[in-house]
Amino acid sequence: AQSVTQLDSQVPVFEEAPVELRCNYSSSVSVYLFWYVQYPNQGLQLLLKYLSGSTLVKGINGFEAEFNKSQTSFHLRKPSVHISDTAEYFCAVSDRIGTLTFGKGTMLLVSP
Amino acid sequence: EAQVTQNPRYLITVTGKKLTVTCSQNMNHEYMSWYRQDPGLGLRQIYYSMNVEVTDKGDVPEGYKVSRKEKRNFPLILESPSPNQTSLYFCASSLSVGASGGYTFGSGTRLTVV
Repeated sequence: AQSVTQLDSQVPVFEEAPVELRCNYSSSVSVYLFWYVQYPNQGLQLLLKYLSGSTLVKGINGFEAEFNKSQTSFHLRKPSVHISDTAEYFCAVSDRIGTLTFGKGTMLLVSP
Repeated sequence: EAQVTQNPRYLITVTGKKLTVTCSQNMNHEYMSWYRQDPGLGLRQIYYSMNVEVTDKGDVPEGYKVSRKEKRNFPLILESPSPNQTSLYFCASSLSVGASGGYTFGSGTRLTVV
């Protein structure tokens, strides 16, 4: 079985400040890791994914994430956020067989 | 345009009245899945399908049924809806079972059962 823990339910930040959204996972097998973003009243959109290889992956909208196998973490970062980044962010893990398991989400609140 | 289409977007119904939420994808994806999203609980998987005529339970299957008679369609059926099934529902699909490409999500169906 696999699980995902997103350590913060809400992260308030000022515009142009850096941000890190934390994600830890648990799995007994090798995994794929994902970050999704959900804007208000919309579906989920893939931000980035880690399958293998380089532990630093870059995604859309200036986001990046680093896979750390020893700490079983996959934290999401952005060096300078915009108001338009206000959304809910979900970390997810796949056991490579089928099921995608999601964390409970982190609401990023960007204020001027 | 490659997409997952869910209908309806919004639905209000009464307890016990059978309903179906449709889901269709035009990407020839093998894997399809239904999730429900509730505040503070994230997304929880209801059912999934690895291919035509192959379906299996997710984490919260009670009160739901699915079928996969064609590759592109994966309807979610609530035979006797109850208020605790009030939720936001998402259909998703993936090219392969391993989901290495991630999932493509529909726009969601907001269901209210009164």
